[in-house]
Amino acid sequence: NAGVTQTPKFQVLKTGQSMTLQCAQDMNHNSMYWYRQDPGMGLRLIYYSASEGTTDKGEVPNGYNVSRLNKREFSLRLESAAPSQTSVYFCASTKGASGRAGETQYFGPGTRLLVL
Amino acid sequence: DAKTTQPTSMDCAEGRAANLPCNHSTISGNEYVYWYRQIHSQGPQYIIHGLKNNETNEMASLIITEDRKSSTLILPHATLRDTAVYYCIVRGLGNTPLVFGKGTRLSVIA
Repeated sequence: NAGVTQTPKFQVLKTGQSMTLQCAQDMNHNSMYWYRQDPGMGLRLIYYSASEGTTDKGEVPNGYNVSRLNKREFSLRLESAAPSQTSVYFCASTKGASGRAGETQYFGPGTRLLVL
Repeated sequence: DAKTTQPTSMDCAEGRAANLPCNHSTISGNEYVYWYRQIHSQGPQYIIHGLKNNETNEMASLIITEDRKSSTLILPHATLRDTAVYYCIVRGLGNTPLVFGKGTRLSVIA
C-alpha cells in the first residue's frame, strides 16, 4: 500500500493562476481531508469529505474548492491563487466508520506551494 | 480552536524518557485523546490514542489522569529521530476532523 499520495510535491504559481492539487488513498478509506500549514503554525482544515459524494467546509475554506472524484481521490482547486495561499498542503484520510471515535488519520507527504 | 494546552517546547537527553504533558480540561465523555507528531515538514504521524485507560504501543505510552483533564505522552528511550513537534488532540465521535494546535517542539539532545 502506498497510503496517501499527493501530487505535485512542489509548485510555484503567479498571482491569479489556477491549479489543482491531487490526493489519492489506496486504503479504502471513506473520509478525506485537506489541511494547510503555514510556517510555525499547526495544521488548519480547509475542506473535508466524510464520504464519497459529500464535502464540507473546514476552518479556512475561502479561495478553495474541492471535488471528491471517487472514493480514492479528493482534489483541492485554487481558482485564482493569491500570495496568502503560499503554504504546505496536506491531504489525509480515515476509514471513517460511522460513529467510531477511535479512528486514526493518515497523512500524505504534503505539497509545497509558493504563490508569487 | 484547539481544546488542548501544551508547552511550546521541551528538551530531552538522548536515551532518557521524554514526558510530554497536555491539558484538556474541557474534554467531554465521548472524546478521545490523540497524539500525533510531525518531523520537519513531513506529514503528521499517528502515535497513540486513548479514552480513559492508559495505553501503550511500540512507539509510546499514554497516561490519562482519572478525571481525564490531562494526559502525558511518554517516549521511554528518546532518540535523535524523535525530535519533532508533538500534537495532543481531542476528538469526538464520527468523522470529525482533527483540530491541531501549535503542539510541543521536542528537541532530543545528544
